[in-house]
Parts: sequence; structure tokens; C-alpha cells
Amino acid sequence: GAGVSQSPSNKVTEKGKDVELRCDPISGHTALYWYRQSLGQGLEFLIYFQGNSAPDKSGLPSDRFSAERTGGSVSTLTIQRTQQEDSAVYLCASGMNSGPSYEQYFGPGTRLTVT
Amino acid sequence: GEDVEQSLFLSVREGDSSVINCTYTDSSSTYLYWYKQEPGAGLQLLTYIFSNMDMKQDQRLTVLLNKKDKHLSLRIADTQTGDSAIYFCAESLSGYSTLTFGKGTMLLVSP
Repeated sequence: GAGVSQSPSNKVTEKGKDVELRCDPISGHTALYWYRQSLGQGLEFLIYFQGNSAPDKSGLPSDRFSAERTGGSVSTLTIQRTQQEDSAVYLCASGMNSGPSYEQYFGPGTRLTVT
Repeated sequence: GEDVEQSLFLSVREGDSSVINCTYTDSSSTYLYWYKQEPGAGLQLLTYIFSNMDMKQDQRLTVLLNKKDKHLSLRIADTQTGDSAIYFCAESLSGYSTLTFGKGTMLLVSP
């Protein structure tokens, strides 16, 4: 079956512009996570969705970052007024959060470059 | 707070065993994971261990957990060039909570 997909795979934007990153989780997965991977920082948690609600958004670095999830499926991460320090690979993961399987399945990521 | 530490680099010869080490600080961690990331690819879960276990073996992979010292290791037997990747250790407080990752260990396997 299809895995987690993310689009676009690469995004180059100018400083100050807004960007939207999309994540399509595995069908039926109720949990969805966004992480950011950057040089020197490793992998950082951003936000967690259970269904359409976000019980944990503690990792969002500033109010320029927001995310939503609709229909318990697709999620969009929006970064407003992008800054150069936002350049990173943004990874999405989904999971079932039930039974013995606690796996988070990761997408290939969106590489964001802010110039 | 949670913090996960790993050594940054490991180099081995093909056929040797590789041991990648990880330490964590949160004694409440319930699940510990090893992920593999190949160049240009997403993260792939290799294995996980519950905190009430000391060891888990899965084919060429052996995970050892020393809960007293908060030390986790991943041993890869008969390491192959295809095992070259970055390996991330991660912890979570419960199966469905968010993961806290180490910065990753780059494993380079030479022929």
C-alpha cells in the first residue's frame, strides 16, 4: 500500500514569503506528526495530531508556524513570513496509536530552502 | 527534560559487527526506538524495545537496554555496505506520544 507522501519534495522561497507543506498520511492512521530536521539541530518535534485536533503543539518554534488537519487525513504545515533559519527538511509521520504497534511511518520529507 | 545523546560517527569494515550507543536522560521513557535514514530518504523504523525489557533480537539486530544507566545500544551483526546510513535513537513516554530523537550516528561500512 501507499506510504506517507509529502509535497512538494523541494521548495525554494524568498525570505518573507509564506509556504505551505502538505502531508498525506497512510490511510486509516489516526495520529500524524510533524518534525523538522536541520543541520546541527537533529530532528525536532513540531506538532502532533490525533484525528483533527492537536493535543501537542509544543514544538512549534514561533507563531509564524501553524498546522491543520482536515477529515482526519491530510495535514498542512504553514510557515508565514519565512526566515532563513526556517531552512530544513520537514518530515511528516503517521501511526495508528493502538495495539502493539507503536510505529511512526515517515514520509520522504520536504526540503525547504529560504533564500 | 528529555535529552538523547549519540556519538556522531562510526566506521567499520564489511563483515564486522557494529555497535551504536545512545544515552537518554528521562527515566520515565517507556519506549526506545532505533530508526535508519538512508541518503535522501525518510526514516525507517528498525526496531523498538519496551523499557521493561533488557534485550531484543531481530535477525542481525540486537538491542540492549540498561535502564539503570539509561543506556541503549544497537548491534548490527555481519555489517554490510548497505547498512551505511544514519541511525537515530529515539525515546517516548508512551507508544503514542511524540518522539525525542538523538542527533544521529553516521555509520560508514567499508568493503
